Amino acid sequence: RKEVEQDPGPFNVPEGATVAFNCTYSNSASQSFFWYRQDCRKEPKLLMSVYSSGNEDGRFTAQLNRASQYISLLIRDSKLSDSATYLCVVISPPGRRALTFGSGTRLQVQP
Amino acid sequence: NAGVTQTPKFQVLKTGQSMTLQCAQDMNHNSMYWYRQDPGMGLRLIYYSASEGTTDKGEVPNGYNVSRLNKREFSLRLESAAPSQTSVYFCASSVGGAGEQYFGPGTRLTVT
Repeated sequence: RKEVEQDPGPFNVPEGATVAFNCTYSNSASQSFFWYRQDCRKEPKLLMSVYSSGNEDGRFTAQLNRASQYISLLIRDSKLSDSATYLCVVISPPGRRALTFGSGTRLQVQP
Repeated sequence: NAGVTQTPKFQVLKTGQSMTLQCAQDMNHNSMYWYRQDPGMGLRLIYYSASEGTTDKGEVPNGYNVSRLNKREFSLRLESAAPSQTSVYFCASSVGGAGEQYFGPGTRLTVT
C-alpha cells in the first residue's frame, strides 16, 4: 500500500463549481500535512498547510481527519486558473526531514 | 532573487554515461533536497542535506551520489546512467523544517 494515496482524476468541473479532493495516508503517526500545486511541466509550489482544526485560505479549505487518516482540499468558485495537479504531502516520523508526496489529483476547470 | 536554479534544463544521455545535475539557492536555506518525478509515481526523494556538510539517503538513492558543496549548492551525480533513470529531477530547499519547500524548475533527463 502506498504511504499517500490520491485519486488521479481528472476532475472536470465548470467555472464557479465547488470541488473537493481527498487524500489518504497509511502511517497513523504522520505529523504534518500539506497541499502543493503543480502546473503542467512546472515545479510544485506550496498551496497550504493543513492544520488539525482545519484552515481556510480564500477559496481554499483544508481539513484533516486523523481518525480516518485522510486530508481534504475544497475549492470554492473554481477559476480557470485553478486547473493544475494537486499534490497531497505528508511528513512522517521517525526524524523525517523530507516530504512524502502523493501522485496527485488533476483538476481541469472548464469555461 | 532567483530562488532555486537548476542546470541543465534538458539532457539526453546514453546508457553508461555520467553527468552531474547542478542546483543552487539564494534564499540562505539550510536544507536541500533532490527528487525524481515519474508518471503515476509522484515525487520520490533521492537524497537530502539537512545542513551544509551533511547528506542522507532518501527513498531511492541507488545509482546516485550527491555533494553539498556549500550552503548554496547541492549537486546530484549519475555515475553510470541507466534507462530507468529517465525522469524529471527537481531540487528543492527549505529553511529548516521540511514543510515549506521551494522547488527549482526541474531537469528533464532521458537515458537511451
